[in-house]
Amino acid sequence: EPEVTQTPSHQVTQMGQEVILRCVPISNHLYFYWYRQILGQKVEFLVSFYNNEISEKSEIFDDQFSVERPDGSNFTLKIRSTKLEDSAMYFCASKPPGFPEAFFGQGTRLTVV
Amino acid sequence: AQSVTQLDSHVSVSEGTPVLLRCNYSSSYSPSLFWYVQHPNKGLQLLLKYTSAATLVKGINGFEAEFKKSETSFHLTKPSAHMSDAAEYFCVVTTTSGTYKYIFGTGTRLKVLA
Repeated sequence: EPEVTQTPSHQVTQMGQEVILRCVPISNHLYFYWYRQILGQKVEFLVSFYNNEISEKSEIFDDQFSVERPDGSNFTLKIRSTKLEDSAMYFCASKPPGFPEAFFGQGTRLTVV
Repeated sequence: AQSVTQLDSHVSVSEGTPVLLRCNYSSSYSPSLFWYVQHPNKGLQLLLKYTSAATLVKGINGFEAEFKKSETSFHLTKPSAHMSDAAEYFCVVTTTSGTYKYIFGTGTRLKVLA
């Protein structure tokens, strides 16, 4: 069964460093998302991406964040200069055309030290 | 704007007894509603979805949910809990147009006692 794949599963980085979280969405899906879940808190929307551009972003998604679909299969989230409060589980999701449900990856746990 | 409220942050049941996880939603549009489950250290798995067809929706692992527009509710039930059901459950709402942004509830942690 097709699934959304995220790498790495765990990432530890020093404050101020750049990180790139990678996702391979399901191949025929057209809508892509990043969400995050700070430990003990709710799952929060970061950004949605459709037709090679951002369709919506949250207040959390400031200039330190960017997304890219560089090669038609990968979907990446870059955090330019990480802060301690960026520590969270980051989920990638994709949605097929004609169906309302999104499929989520296993998540990348980012720890900023 | 859309939102969901999960009324219980923690629910404990004994194995073999019914499960009820409560969710109320708010939506300006005709909503699509979902329940996702997150087992420890795992990702989010879709349990079931409501998309304006049948109001009683059956999902995986014996779970069901009933959409009640008059009560703006979408409660998740299971007749008989199994130890493997212990997990965090999220009620999620989205619109059926626009960008399909998914709005999560705060989650309900289900504990199943032997």
